[in-house]
Amino acid sequence: DGGITQSPKYLFRKEGQNVTLSCEQNLNHDAMYWYRQDPGQGLRLIYYSQIVNDFQKGDIAEGYSVSREKKESFPLTVTSAQKNPTAFYLCASARGTGEGEQYFGPGTRLTVT
Amino acid sequence: AQSVTQLDSQVPVFEEAPVELRCNYSSSVSVYLFWYVQYPNQGLQLLLKYLSGSTLVESINGFEAEFNKSQTSFHLRKPSVHISDTAEYFCAVSAGGSQGNLIFGKGTKLSVKP
Repeated sequence: DGGITQSPKYLFRKEGQNVTLSCEQNLNHDAMYWYRQDPGQGLRLIYYSQIVNDFQKGDIAEGYSVSREKKESFPLTVTSAQKNPTAFYLCASARGTGEGEQYFGPGTRLTVT
Repeated sequence: AQSVTQLDSQVPVFEEAPVELRCNYSSSVSVYLFWYVQYPNQGLQLLLKYLSGSTLVESINGFEAEFNKSQTSFHLRKPSVHISDTAEYFCAVSAGGSQGNLIFGKGTKLSVKP
């Protein structure tokens, strides 16, 4: 079955540690996205990538980093510089043809204490 | 720049009653419009979309939305809701083109009560 996988579903870390969230897709999509979701705030774009080996900052990129070495993978690292990292993180992909329709993974809930 | 406003953060409704979730957008260019649904602790699922053509679009589970260009709206409606429709609904807009990034509203929590 084609789709997007995110792992793990729940992640716990101590403050000051970097943590990497996994996102893999087998839809052969060119574009991939990372969003952060907080209650009542909707989805905010962290980073996106339209093509392998290229990515752009979204609206709230500070404290995060990404890589896009393979078409199917777009891992997100939450660094210790992110002041409030506890949130629900969603990965999405799209064909990249410009219509905008995105397909979402199940999300990772990160808790930092 | 585009923006999306979902006018109600929460909508409580009784089972079998009709519901309308409101969405307005602002954009200086033609847009594509989407409604997504999110069940607790899950990702977003596409409910329906307007790309072009008929301004009334329908989903397989009874929801419909109408694109109104003059009012810059894309309200979501269902004539009779089920308990299982309880979820958060997000309206989103894209200007298309090489970027195609989605701009999301803040979401409306639909709570269907027996």
